[in-house]
Amino acid sequence: AQSVSQHNHHVILSEAASLELGCNYSYGGTVNLFWYVQYPGQHLQLLLKYFSGDPLVKGIKGFEAEFIKSKFSFNLRKPSVQWSDTAEYFCAVTPTGGGNKLTFGTGTQLKVEL
Amino acid sequence: EADIYQTPRYLVIGTGKKITLECSQTMGHDKMYWYQQDPGMELHLIHYSYGVNSTEKGDLSSESTVSRIRTEHFPLTLESARPSHTSQYLCASSDGLPMVNFGPGTRLTVL
Repeated sequence: AQSVSQHNHHVILSEAASLELGCNYSYGGTVNLFWYVQYPGQHLQLLLKYFSGDPLVKGIKGFEAEFIKSKFSFNLRKPSVQWSDTAEYFCAVTPTGGGNKLTFGTGTQLKVEL
Repeated sequence: EADIYQTPRYLVIGTGKKITLECSQTMGHDKMYWYQQDPGMELHLIHYSYGVNSTEKGDLSSESTVSRIRTEHFPLTLESARPSHTSQYLCASSDGLPMVNFGPGTRLTVL
């Protein structure tokens, strides 16, 4: 079975700082990778996804993530965070053809201070 | 924006009560899921369905049961609620692509 590790549980940044959230997964086959975000009081929503092709994927609100197959990693980045990025971020993986059953990491709570 | 509805959004109930958490989606998706999330923890898949009359247990063992009589409806039932069932329950759906849309969740507290 697959698993996902998110190394940063709580991150506090000042506005305009750069962000990188780590995500590593364990699975022997091909995978689809996702980052979900949950803003305070809102639904869990998709931030970006990787299925195949270019390992650098761009999502909404200026976020991007890079899939490094050799490192089993899918780190999330944003060059300059805003106060409105305060949220909880979840990395998730599903095996290709695995019926979309997502395995999630524990999440990273990001707080951006003015 | 995903059209997945969950009711109730919040529920506080006493031990031993039977409860049903409702989930419906208007997108005609075949695949539906229930995830359980405790504070500060990852989401765990507890049930899923790939179509009408198809239900399977997920990775995390749960005392809840589900049914899928209609494509759009995927309710979760606890026959006898206990404090250990206190959690947030998230319903989700997807079509043939590996993308999953989530509902707003039901926060359940069992006293």
